[in-house]
Amino acid sequence: GAVVSQHPSRVICKSGTSVKIECRSLDFQATTMFWYRQFPKKSLMLMATSNEGSKATYEQGVEKDKFLINHASLTLSTLTVTSAHPEDSSFYICSARSSGRTGRETQYFGPGTRLLVL
Amino acid sequence: KQEVTQIPAALSVPEGENLVLNCSFTDSAIYNLQWFRQDPGKGLTSLLLIQSSQREQTSGRLNASLDKSSGRSTLYIAASQPGDSATYLCAVRGTNSGYALNFGKGTSLLVTP
Repeated sequence: GAVVSQHPSRVICKSGTSVKIECRSLDFQATTMFWYRQFPKKSLMLMATSNEGSKATYEQGVEKDKFLINHASLTLSTLTVTSAHPEDSSFYICSARSSGRTGRETQYFGPGTRLLVL
Repeated sequence: KQEVTQIPAALSVPEGENLVLNCSFTDSAIYNLQWFRQDPGKGLTSLLLIQSSQREQTSGRLNASLDKSSGRSTLYIAASQPGDSATYLCAVRGTNSGYALNFGKGTSLLVTP
């Protein structure tokens, strides 16, 4: 099946620093990638939809200036958490939708990135 | 706004039992519904996807049903094994939400030897 990777898998940073998380589709081209956030024992919440070559679409309540998303190529989207604070500590998961596959429609999820802001 | 609810929140069963996980959603205007498995600290593994026109899907010991009109889906796991222990998430793709998924909070399953 299709593979989506995330890097890093885990990051610890100091409050006030910025952290970049990469999401890559390894064996397919993804015109659309999604960024989700998951708090402990909570559901995944969609943060933004990222389309290659255009600005991301953010969900209500998600600060676009704080969570910068760049989808510069068909295989890479990045999420940068700017000026991170302890409340940004969470599990961030990306998913990618293949542009070349038809029929069974699904998203392929990355393994997630655990962010801890001290 | 689509709301996805999963019941129970947690479930513990002895090995070998058959079990049913429930998912309900408030807006029946969906393209499809998916069941995922999530192991602690890990990403999601897609188990089954049911298109809105389908009633059920089966994969091995797993069977998922969909009743779109009543906004319900069930995931049936036969002959449970300790390796089935994980959190099971239900997610729907609405007709008005692009390709984004709306997730339930999940059911945490523990299968004891």
